[in-house]
Amino acid sequence: GAGVSQSPRYKVAKRGQDVALRCDPISGHVSLFWYQQALGQGPEFLTYFQNEAQLDKSGLPSDRFFAERPEGSVSTLKIQRTQQEDSAVYLCASKLAGFYEQYFGPGTRLTVT
Amino acid sequence: GENVEQHPSTLSVQEGDSAVIKCTYSDSASNYFPWYKQELGKRPQLIIDIRSNVGEKKDQRIAVTLNKTAKHFSLHITETQPEDSAVYFCAAAVDSGGGADGLTFGKGTHLIIQP
Repeated sequence: GAGVSQSPRYKVAKRGQDVALRCDPISGHVSLFWYQQALGQGPEFLTYFQNEAQLDKSGLPSDRFFAERPEGSVSTLKIQRTQQEDSAVYLCASKLAGFYEQYFGPGTRLTVT
Repeated sequence: GENVEQHPSTLSVQEGDSAVIKCTYSDSASNYFPWYKQELGKRPQLIIDIRSNVGEKKDQRIAVTLNKTAKHFSLHITETQPEDSAVYFCAAAVDSGGGADGLTFGKGTHLIIQP
């Protein structure tokens, strides 16, 4: 079946612009995670949804970052007033409730110039 | 919060030899420990995981060991092959009852298999 998909795959934004990154989880996966992966580093947890409820947003680095999943399926990560330090790959992962394995999408590479 | 340390950052081994990557974690509440393989430009893929109720798990050439007392876990790859070359990440998470929560990753190990 189809895996986790993300769009766009690449995004170049000028400093100060707003961006929106989309994640389509595997059908039926109630849990959805966002991670930020800087070049040469491990992914860092940003936020977690179970259905439409955002259960943990402790990893969001500032109030410029906002995530939503209004209907419990597709999720959007929005970054306002982008800064150079926001340049990274943003990974989305999903999993079934009660299971452990997280399935990752291909990521969106954001470059802020 | 959880902190995961991973060593070494780069590991070069001869094809056919074994490779060992080690991780330590800080939060005694963590009880789920996956290992991911990430090839250049690709998504992380789970290769093996272990929960804290077991000390060792094996899947063909890959094994993971867990020492809860010392808070460390290791990945062992035997009979390494060129296709094992990649970056490997360890991670830790708490299972709060619905499967694991958000993962805390180590910084990664670049495994190079020399022909």
